[in-house]
Amino acid sequence: TQLLEQSPQFLSIQEGENLTVYCNSSSVFSSLQWYRQEPGEGPVLLVTVVTGGEVKKLKRLTFQFGDARKDSSLHITAAQPGDTGLYLCAGHWNSGGSNYKLTFGKGTLLTVNP
Amino acid sequence: GAGVSQSPSNKVTEKGKDVELRCDPISGHTALYWYRQSLGQGLEFLIYFQGNSAPDKSGLPSDRFSAERTGGSVSTLTIQRTQQEDSAVYLCASSLAVSGPYNEQFFGPGTRLTVL
Repeated sequence: TQLLEQSPQFLSIQEGENLTVYCNSSSVFSSLQWYRQEPGEGPVLLVTVVTGGEVKKLKRLTFQFGDARKDSSLHITAAQPGDTGLYLCAGHWNSGGSNYKLTFGKGTLLTVNP
Repeated sequence: GAGVSQSPSNKVTEKGKDVELRCDPISGHTALYWYRQSLGQGLEFLIYFQGNSAPDKSGLPSDRFSAERTGGSVSTLTIQRTQQEDSAVYLCASSLAVSGPYNEQFFGPGTRLTVL
C-alpha cells in the first residue's frame, strides 16, 4: 500500500509570511497532484506534476516534484487570508493497472491570520 | 449546475439503519469515484466506476457497503446497518477518463453522515 505523509498537519501564520508544506512517500509515483479544500466543499485541483524535478508556479504558489518522484513540496509566498484551507497531496501510481487510483495524504490545515 | 452534485448534504441516522447517498457526476464523465473523509484521516478511496461497471471495489470497508451506477450517470452508495464508525464525509468525484497522469477528478461537496 502506497502511503503519503504530509507535514505539517497544522499551520497557523500571519498574513505576509511564507510557508512550505511537504509531501513524502516511500514509493515512486507516476504523478502527483495538489488539491485545496475549503469547509463544506470538495477538494479542487491546483496542479499536477509528472516529471522528476519539475517546478510549477501558480501565482504565489510554487510546486516542486522531487527528482526521484517520491516527494513534493508546496511553497506559498506572502500568504493571504484567502489562502486558508486544507491542502492535500495525492499520488497516482501505475502498478497493476491501478493508474486511476489516487492516494491522498492526510492534509495540511493552513490558517492565515489577517 | 455544471459541477458534481451530491445529496443529501447532511444525513443523521441511528445505528443499525440503512442509508443511501447519491451522486450526480458531470455530464459526459465516464469515470466516477467514491471516497470517505474522516477527521484527521485524509481521503480514503472506496470504489470507482467506469461506465456502469465497478472494476475495483477493494476500498469498500465491509460487505455492508455497496454502490451502483445506472445509465453511466447517477451513482448511489448504500450503507446497511450503519455503525458509529461509518460517520464521515462521503465524497464523490468524476472525471472524463480514467487513466493518464493529468486525469483530473472533479469533486462534489460531499455528504456528511452522522451515525448516532
